Amino acid sequence: AQSVSQHNHHVILSEAASLELGCNYSYGGTVNLFWYVQYPGQHLQLLLKYFSGDPLVKGIKGFEAEFIKSKFSFNLRKPSVQWSDTAEYFCAVNAPQNYGQNFVFGPGTRLSVLP
Amino acid sequence: GAGVSQSPSNKVTEKGKDVELRCDPISGHTALYWYRQRLGQGLEFLIYFQGNSAPDKSGLPSDRFSAERTGESVSTLTIQRTQQEDSAVYLCASSFNYGEQFFGPGTRLTVL
Repeated sequence: AQSVSQHNHHVILSEAASLELGCNYSYGGTVNLFWYVQYPGQHLQLLLKYFSGDPLVKGIKGFEAEFIKSKFSFNLRKPSVQWSDTAEYFCAVNAPQNYGQNFVFGPGTRLSVLP
Repeated sequence: GAGVSQSPSNKVTEKGKDVELRCDPISGHTALYWYRQRLGQGLEFLIYFQGNSAPDKSGLPSDRFSAERTGESVSTLTIQRTQQEDSAVYLCASSFNYGEQFFGPGTRLTVL
């Protein structure tokens, strides 16, 4: 079965610090990878996704993620965080060839950015 | 509508009662998903629909949970004989074929 782990439960940073949130998944086949963000009081929304091609994908608001197949990882990065990035971040994996449209989400990482 | 809508936004019920949660997906979206999010935890996949068929019901926690979808439109998630452990936020998402999922605001269910 698929599983997704996120390394940190809660990350606290000061503004302008660099961010890296870890995400690892268990499935070894073809995968689609996603990062979603949930700002306080708002819906979950897509930050970025990887289906194929360039393993370095860029998303909204200056976020990027790198797919490293050999490490089963899809870490999220941002060079300089802002207070408005305070939110919960979820990594998600889908392996359509073997698991159809069953998406597996990680437990989430809460990011707090101090002004 | 412009996005996925869910109703009610909040539901408080007594243990043992049945509840029905509704999801209106984005018009034209073929796939619809239900998730459960317990306090402080990640999203737990419950079920998805492709059109009005549900190829994967493996995530439903028990036979008290069921879901239906009418065509490529509204879906209802029904929980019978609710238990306190059913308390959670129930999220619905829709997507066009197998693309990005768009999430609704969720229904917060509290079982007393």
